[in-house]
Amino acid sequence: AQKVTQAQTEISVVEKEDVTLDCVYETRDTTYYLFWYKQPPSGELVFLIRRNSFDEQNEISGRYSWNFQKSTSSFNFTITASQVVDSAVYFCALLFAGGTSYGKLTFGQGTILTVHP
Amino acid sequence: GAGVSQSPSNKVTEKGKDVELRCDPISGHTALYWYRQSLGQGLEFLIYFQGNSAPDKSGLPSDRFSAERTGGSVSTLTIQRTQQEDSAVYLCASSPSRDSTSTDTQYFGPGTRLTVL
Repeated sequence: AQKVTQAQTEISVVEKEDVTLDCVYETRDTTYYLFWYKQPPSGELVFLIRRNSFDEQNEISGRYSWNFQKSTSSFNFTITASQVVDSAVYFCALLFAGGTSYGKLTFGQGTILTVHP
Repeated sequence: GAGVSQSPSNKVTEKGKDVELRCDPISGHTALYWYRQSLGQGLEFLIYFQGNSAPDKSGLPSDRFSAERTGGSVSTLTIQRTQQEDSAVYLCASSPSRDSTSTDTQYFGPGTRLTVL
């Protein structure tokens, strides 16, 4: 069975602080994909990043960076110098590439990030 | 180009009534997904359409739920005899996937907020 755990339910920071959102996943499969989505107050899920299980390179995109470690089954997301516009719910998700699970994203419970001015 | 669109954005109905929710995927995307987001259950997969193949209905919670996709494009999710526990945000997503091994990134619409009184 697949499972995604985002242990941090809510995080509150002050603008310009760095913040890391944790994501731990469980799967017995060797081929899988990991995603982060952002859900601002408007409600739409916005795609941020995708990694496949064979690519452990960390990635940086502007103020965002992602740390993928297969050894600890983690895919953490860091926002550097946070801004008020970063306030949203962030979801980590897992997609298994086989069996009867094609197309089914398994989501974590989400982390509510509030950035105060 | 245009993203995934969903209508209506909000729907309030009385217990026992039927409702229809509509999803227009991104043009050219062959795979379409429905998810449900509720406070108690988080984000759950409901159903997946891939081209002309039979849909994967494994996530539908009861036989009151059904979905169809006409002409490989627009999809309608129908809930019959609505119950209060059906209150949730129903999210639609699409991806470019052209075969049954759907591991492409899913792009989400803004959702339909359903309230059953």
